[in-house]
Amino acid sequence: DAMVIQNPRYQVTQFGKPVTLSCSQTLNHNVMYWYQQKSSQAPKLLFHYYDKDFNNEADTPDNFQSRRPNTSFCFLDIRSPGLGDAAMYLCATSRGTGDNQPQHFGDGTRLSIL
Amino acid sequence: GQNIDQPTEMTATEGAIVQINCTYQTSGFNGLFWYQQHAGEAPTFLSYNVLDGLEEKGRFSSFLSRSKGYSYLLLKELQMKDSASYLCAVLDSNYQLIWGAGTKLIIKP
Repeated sequence: DAMVIQNPRYQVTQFGKPVTLSCSQTLNHNVMYWYQQKSSQAPKLLFHYYDKDFNNEADTPDNFQSRRPNTSFCFLDIRSPGLGDAAMYLCATSRGTGDNQPQHFGDGTRLSIL
Repeated sequence: GQNIDQPTEMTATEGAIVQINCTYQTSGFNGLFWYQQHAGEAPTFLSYNVLDGLEEKGRFSSFLSRSKGYSYLLLKELQMKDSASYLCAVLDSNYQLIWGAGTKLIIKP
């Protein structure tokens, strides 16, 4: 039944060791988003794809990269995680980016940095 | 700059009614969303308003006044499972979603 699936739910990595988070969707939505959310804060948009068009937010650190090899999958790569990158990473999808296009979220991956 | 304001935390009693307010200042407006987020889980969509007035969906209703830059989420007949954070998010003129930090709602028996 899950329509936006994130793996793994919990990820532990070492300081500076690259890590990849994955997201897949069965909704056939055009848009996929990656958010970072820290405790009691608003989700912070890192990037989004409209189909294959990649949109990077101006304040997303260069340490964060993303790939969308096809409609269903999207990956978040963190090249050299620092302690400040410990957070919940949320993947979301939407049919489009216009009005009344709610975003559907996966369960998130909670990233811990040792 | 763009800004969404919500109270940080509210407490209510099981069976009661609670109103969670949201005020916004954004560059343009293309609609306002409310999401529910249980601790450690992802946000789930509750409602969308783009025209002024009240939208009712079961125990939950959402109100919008565009001239005042104001919305509220009304929860009736509160249940313990309604304990969660409620996030307000506004779609600006560029169709970017601007998020509030959320209101943590605590329900007491």
